[in-house]
Amino acid sequence: GNSVTQMEGPVTLSEEAFLTINCTYTATGYPSLFWYVQYPGEGLQLLLKATKADDKGSNKGFEATYRKETTSFHLEKGSVQVSDSAVYFCALSRGNTPLVFGKGTRLSVIA
Amino acid sequence: EAGVTQSPTHLIKTRGQQATLRCSPISGHTSVYWYQQALGLGLQFLLWYDEGEERNRGNFPPRFSGRQFPNYSSELNVNALELEDSALYLCASSLAPGLNYGYTFGSGTRLTVV
Repeated sequence: GNSVTQMEGPVTLSEEAFLTINCTYTATGYPSLFWYVQYPGEGLQLLLKATKADDKGSNKGFEATYRKETTSFHLEKGSVQVSDSAVYFCALSRGNTPLVFGKGTRLSVIA
Repeated sequence: EAGVTQSPTHLIKTRGQQATLRCSPISGHTSVYWYQQALGLGLQFLLWYDEGEERNRGNFPPRFSGRQFPNYSSELNVNALELEDSALYLCASSLAPGLNYGYTFGSGTRLTVV
């Protein structure tokens, strides 16, 4: 079946550091890929998405590229801020099936 | 435009009781999804409703059930509550299935079973 694997957290970075959160997936065909962010005490917000191979999703300085050859969708940001502290979820959707989520990666950014 | 709203925000129940959680989707969205977010376990898919019908169900026992009303709002019922049902229950809506627009989530209902 479809599944998503994210790097284990927590990840702690200093402000302005470079961020990478790894995400790989298993799915038949060509799923759509998503990154969601959950700030403390809130629900999930869609951060970015990519619907086909080699697409790059971007938003708020975050980027992720859909790599079919490595079945990956790693999240990157060049310079993190304290306000980026949150839990990040990678997810995939294939056809009409509900979104399948990874277990989440907690990011803490310290000033 | 109002987002996805869930009620109540917090719910405390005793083991063996029943819990009812409610969700109102974004106007125009026909699909409603329910997820359970237990501590350390990520998001587990529970139920998907579209146009009033149950379309898919996750790997949960039958005491987890729900329905979708004609106005597309939805209700999740959990019978015979167990301690391990304590979790954040998230509802999400989407414009239509299969369009890959992603989901819009509510802020969740925190269910605590004591």
